Amino acid sequence: AQKVTQAQTEISVVEKEDVTLDCVYETRDTTYYLFWYKQPPSGELVFLIRRNSFDEQNEISGRYSWNFQKSTSSFNFTITASQVVDSAVYFCALSEPGQNFVFGPGTRLSVLP
Amino acid sequence: GAGVSQSPSNKVTEKGKDVELRCDPISGHTALYWYRQSLGQGLEFLIYFQGNSAPDKSGLPSDRFSAERTGGSVSTLTIQRTQQEDSAVYLCASSLTGTSGGGAKNIQYFGAGTRLSVL
Repeated sequence: AQKVTQAQTEISVVEKEDVTLDCVYETRDTTYYLFWYKQPPSGELVFLIRRNSFDEQNEISGRYSWNFQKSTSSFNFTITASQVVDSAVYFCALSEPGQNFVFGPGTRLSVLP
Repeated sequence: GAGVSQSPSNKVTEKGKDVELRCDPISGHTALYWYRQSLGQGLEFLIYFQGNSAPDKSGLPSDRFSAERTGGSVSTLTIQRTQQEDSAVYLCASSLTGTSGGGAKNIQYFGAGTRLSVL
Protein backbone atom coordinates (compact mmCIF):
# COMPACT_ATOMS: atom_id res chain seq x y z
CA ALA A 1 0.00 0.00 0.00
CA GLN A 2 1.11 3.54 -0.66
CA LYS A 3 1.83 5.84 2.24
CA VAL A 4 3.60 9.16 2.68
CA THR A 5 4.78 10.41 6.05
CA GLN A 6 5.84 13.94 6.84
CA ALA A 7 6.72 13.73 10.48
CA GLN A 8 7.28 17.47 10.93
CA THR A 9 3.91 19.13 11.40
CA GLU A 10 5.26 22.64 11.81
CA ILE A 11 8.70 24.20 11.54
CA SER A 12 9.72 27.74 12.36
CA VAL A 13 13.03 29.20 11.28
CA VAL A 14 14.53 32.64 11.13
CA GLU A 15 15.21 34.14 7.74
CA LYS A 16 18.48 33.01 6.13
CA GLU A 17 18.55 29.75 8.03
CA ASP A 18 18.63 26.50 6.09
CA VAL A 19 15.73 24.11 6.66
CA THR A 20 15.07 20.52 5.64
CA LEU A 21 11.59 19.07 5.27
CA ASP A 22 11.42 15.32 5.64
CA CYS A 23 9.39 12.92 3.54
CA VAL A 24 9.31 9.17 3.97
CA TYR A 25 7.28 6.97 1.66
CA GLU A 26 6.09 3.39 1.46
CA THR A 27 5.46 1.50 -1.73
CA ARG A 28 5.70 -2.06 -3.02
CA ASP A 29 6.20 -0.99 -6.60
CA THR A 30 9.60 -0.59 -8.19
CA THR A 31 8.28 2.12 -10.47
CA TYR A 32 6.88 5.19 -8.77
CA TYR A 33 7.01 8.96 -8.79
CA LEU A 34 7.62 11.40 -5.99
CA PHE A 35 6.51 15.02 -5.90
CA TRP A 36 6.76 18.12 -3.79
CA TYR A 37 4.13 20.83 -3.83
CA LYS A 38 4.05 24.20 -2.10
CA GLN A 39 0.80 25.68 -0.79
CA PRO A 40 1.29 29.36 0.08
CA PRO A 41 -1.30 31.26 2.13
CA SER A 42 -3.19 32.02 -1.07
CA GLY A 43 -4.14 28.35 -1.15
CA GLU A 44 -3.16 27.22 -4.64
CA LEU A 45 -0.81 24.25 -4.72
CA VAL A 46 2.28 24.92 -6.76
CA PHE A 47 4.24 22.07 -8.31
CA LEU A 48 7.91 22.09 -7.33
CA ILE A 49 9.49 18.85 -8.46
CA ARG A 50 8.80 15.38 -9.81
CA ARG A 51 11.26 12.50 -9.49
CA ASN A 52 10.92 8.95 -10.80
CA SER A 53 12.14 5.94 -8.88
CA PHE A 54 14.95 5.18 -11.33
CA ASP A 55 16.64 8.51 -10.92
CA GLU A 56 18.34 8.91 -7.56
CA GLN A 57 20.40 11.86 -8.62
CA ASN A 58 19.93 14.78 -6.28
CA GLU A 59 18.58 17.96 -7.76
CA ILE A 60 19.24 21.60 -7.06
CA SER A 61 17.15 24.49 -8.25
CA GLY A 62 18.30 27.81 -6.91
CA ARG A 63 17.86 27.74 -3.13
CA TYR A 64 15.92 24.46 -3.32
CA SER A 65 17.47 21.02 -3.30
CA TRP A 66 16.10 17.52 -3.04
CA ASN A 67 17.77 14.41 -1.65
CA PHE A 68 16.25 11.15 -2.90
CA GLN A 69 17.47 8.02 -1.12
CA LYS A 70 15.80 4.74 -2.02
CA SER A 71 17.72 2.92 0.71
CA THR A 72 15.81 4.87 3.35
CA SER A 73 12.67 5.54 1.25
CA SER A 74 13.11 9.24 1.74
CA PHE A 75 12.77 12.26 -0.48
CA ASN A 76 13.80 15.23 1.62
CA PHE A 77 13.58 18.86 0.60
CA THR A 78 16.06 21.51 1.72
CA ILE A 79 15.64 25.26 1.42
CA THR A 80 18.91 27.14 1.73
CA ALA A 81 18.98 30.69 3.09
CA SER A 82 15.25 30.68 3.72
CA GLN A 83 13.15 33.75 3.00
CA VAL A 84 9.83 34.95 4.35
CA VAL A 85 8.23 34.13 0.99
CA ASP A 86 9.06 30.48 1.59
CA SER A 87 6.44 30.40 4.34
CA ALA A 88 3.86 27.86 3.20
CA VAL A 89 2.63 24.34 3.70
CA TYR A 90 4.72 21.84 1.79
CA PHE A 91 3.29 18.52 0.65
CA CYS A 92 5.17 15.45 -0.45
CA ALA A 93 3.26 13.02 -2.70
CA LEU A 94 3.72 9.55 -4.15
CA SER A 95 2.22 8.07 -7.29
CA GLU A 96 2.46 4.56 -8.65
CA PRO A 97 1.50 3.81 -12.27
CA GLY A 98 -2.24 3.33 -12.45
CA GLN A 99 -2.73 4.53 -8.90
CA ASN A 100 -3.85 7.86 -7.56
CA PHE A 101 -1.60 10.32 -5.84
CA VAL A 102 -1.14 9.88 -2.13
CA PHE A 103 -0.26 13.09 -0.36
CA GLY A 104 1.50 13.40 2.94
CA PRO A 105 -0.14 15.47 5.69
CA GLY A 106 2.04 18.45 4.93
CA THR A 107 4.61 20.47 6.86
CA ARG A 108 3.82 24.07 7.71
CA LEU A 109 6.95 26.18 7.38
CA SER A 110 7.08 29.61 8.95
CA VAL A 111 10.06 31.79 8.10
CA LEU A 112 10.34 34.68 10.51
CA PRO A 113 12.00 37.96 9.54
CA GLY B 1 -1.76 29.21 -21.32
CA ALA B 2 -4.55 29.28 -18.74
CA GLY B 3 -4.26 27.15 -15.67
CA VAL B 4 -6.93 25.17 -13.88
CA SER B 5 -9.90 27.38 -13.14
CA GLN B 6 -12.39 26.77 -10.35
CA SER B 7 -15.61 28.55 -9.56
CA PRO B 8 -16.92 29.93 -7.39
CA SER B 9 -13.91 30.82 -5.28
CA ASN B 10 -16.10 31.00 -2.22
CA LYS B 11 -19.50 29.49 -1.52
CA VAL B 12 -21.61 29.95 1.58
CA THR B 13 -24.69 27.79 1.84
CA GLU B 14 -27.22 26.65 4.39
CA LYS B 15 -27.30 23.15 5.76
CA GLY B 16 -29.49 20.93 3.62
CA LYS B 17 -29.01 22.84 0.37
CA ASP B 18 -27.32 21.41 -2.72
CA VAL B 19 -24.18 22.99 -4.15
CA GLU B 20 -22.31 22.67 -7.44
CA LEU B 21 -18.63 23.37 -7.78
CA ARG B 22 -17.06 23.79 -11.19
CA CYS B 23 -13.61 22.95 -12.51
CA ASP B 24 -12.18 23.94 -15.88
CA PRO B 25 -8.98 21.93 -16.47
CA ILE B 26 -5.99 22.94 -18.54
CA SER B 27 -6.82 22.55 -22.21
CA GLY B 28 -5.69 19.18 -23.55
CA HIS B 29 -5.39 17.54 -20.15
CA THR B 30 -7.16 14.19 -20.16
CA ALA B 31 -7.09 13.54 -16.44
CA LEU B 32 -8.99 15.47 -13.78
CA TYR B 33 -8.99 15.03 -10.02
CA TRP B 34 -11.05 16.38 -7.13
CA TYR B 35 -9.67 16.66 -3.61
CA ARG B 36 -11.02 18.00 -0.35
CA GLN B 37 -8.88 19.87 2.15
CA SER B 38 -10.32 20.54 5.58
CA LEU B 39 -8.91 23.38 7.63
CA GLY B 40 -5.27 22.74 8.45
CA GLN B 41 -5.39 19.24 7.01
CA GLY B 42 -3.88 17.42 4.07
CA LEU B 43 -5.52 16.54 0.78
CA GLU B 44 -8.26 13.93 0.70
CA PHE B 45 -8.79 12.30 -2.70
CA LEU B 46 -12.39 12.32 -3.88
CA ILE B 47 -12.67 11.28 -7.53
CA TYR B 48 -10.56 10.86 -10.67
CA PHE B 49 -11.56 11.08 -14.34
CA GLN B 50 -9.33 9.76 -17.10
CA GLY B 51 -10.44 10.21 -20.70
CA ASN B 52 -13.52 8.16 -21.47
CA SER B 53 -12.89 5.58 -18.76
CA ALA B 54 -15.27 5.09 -15.88
CA PRO B 55 -14.27 7.48 -13.08
CA ASP B 56 -12.58 6.28 -9.93
CA LYS B 57 -15.09 7.27 -7.27
CA SER B 58 -13.39 5.44 -4.44
CA GLY B 59 -12.75 8.59 -2.44
CA LEU B 60 -16.27 10.01 -2.36
CA PRO B 61 -17.26 10.11 1.33
CA SER B 62 -20.98 9.47 0.87
CA ASP B 63 -23.68 9.15 -1.76
CA ARG B 64 -24.44 12.84 -1.29
CA PHE B 65 -21.33 13.52 -3.35
CA SER B 66 -21.24 13.06 -7.11
CA ALA B 67 -19.26 14.42 -10.03
CA GLU B 68 -19.53 14.65 -13.77
CA ARG B 69 -17.14 15.49 -16.51
CA THR B 70 -18.87 16.58 -19.66
CA GLY B 71 -17.18 16.29 -23.03
CA GLY B 72 -13.93 15.31 -21.41
CA SER B 73 -13.35 18.83 -20.20
CA VAL B 74 -15.29 20.76 -17.57
CA SER B 75 -16.20 18.93 -14.37
CA THR B 76 -18.88 19.62 -11.79
CA LEU B 77 -18.77 18.33 -8.23
CA THR B 78 -22.22 18.23 -6.65
CA ILE B 79 -22.90 17.93 -2.95
CA GLN B 80 -26.51 17.25 -2.06
CA ARG B 81 -28.11 18.08 1.27
CA THR B 82 -24.95 19.73 2.54
CA GLN B 83 -23.85 19.18 6.11
CA GLN B 84 -21.60 21.34 8.27
CA GLU B 85 -18.86 18.73 8.07
CA ASP B 86 -18.75 19.32 4.30
CA SER B 87 -17.17 22.72 4.97
CA ALA B 88 -13.72 22.62 3.40
CA VAL B 89 -11.72 23.79 0.42
CA TYR B 90 -12.42 21.68 -2.66
CA LEU B 91 -9.45 21.49 -4.99
CA CYS B 92 -9.41 20.40 -8.59
CA ALA B 93 -6.31 19.30 -10.50
CA SER B 94 -5.62 18.17 -14.03
CA SER B 95 -2.76 16.36 -15.70
CA LEU B 96 -1.82 15.70 -19.29
CA THR B 97 -2.32 12.00 -18.90
CA GLY B 98 -3.60 9.86 -16.10
CA THR B 99 -1.77 8.08 -13.39
CA SER B 100 -0.10 5.70 -15.82
CA GLY B 101 1.59 8.49 -17.70
CA GLY B 102 5.35 8.64 -17.75
CA GLY B 103 7.69 11.53 -18.28
CA ALA B 104 6.18 14.68 -16.92
CA LYS B 105 2.71 13.79 -18.13
CA ASN B 106 1.31 12.81 -14.77
CA ILE B 107 2.19 16.04 -12.97
CA GLN B 108 -0.98 17.43 -11.46
CA TYR B 109 -1.64 21.14 -11.74
CA PHE B 110 -4.06 22.59 -9.23
CA GLY B 111 -6.70 25.27 -9.27
CA ALA B 112 -7.08 27.82 -6.49
CA GLY B 113 -9.96 25.86 -4.97
CA THR B 114 -13.49 26.60 -3.84
CA ARG B 115 -13.92 27.39 -0.17
CA LEU B 116 -17.26 25.93 0.91
CA SER B 117 -18.86 27.05 4.14
CA VAL B 118 -22.00 25.29 5.30
CA LEU B 119 -23.87 27.23 7.97
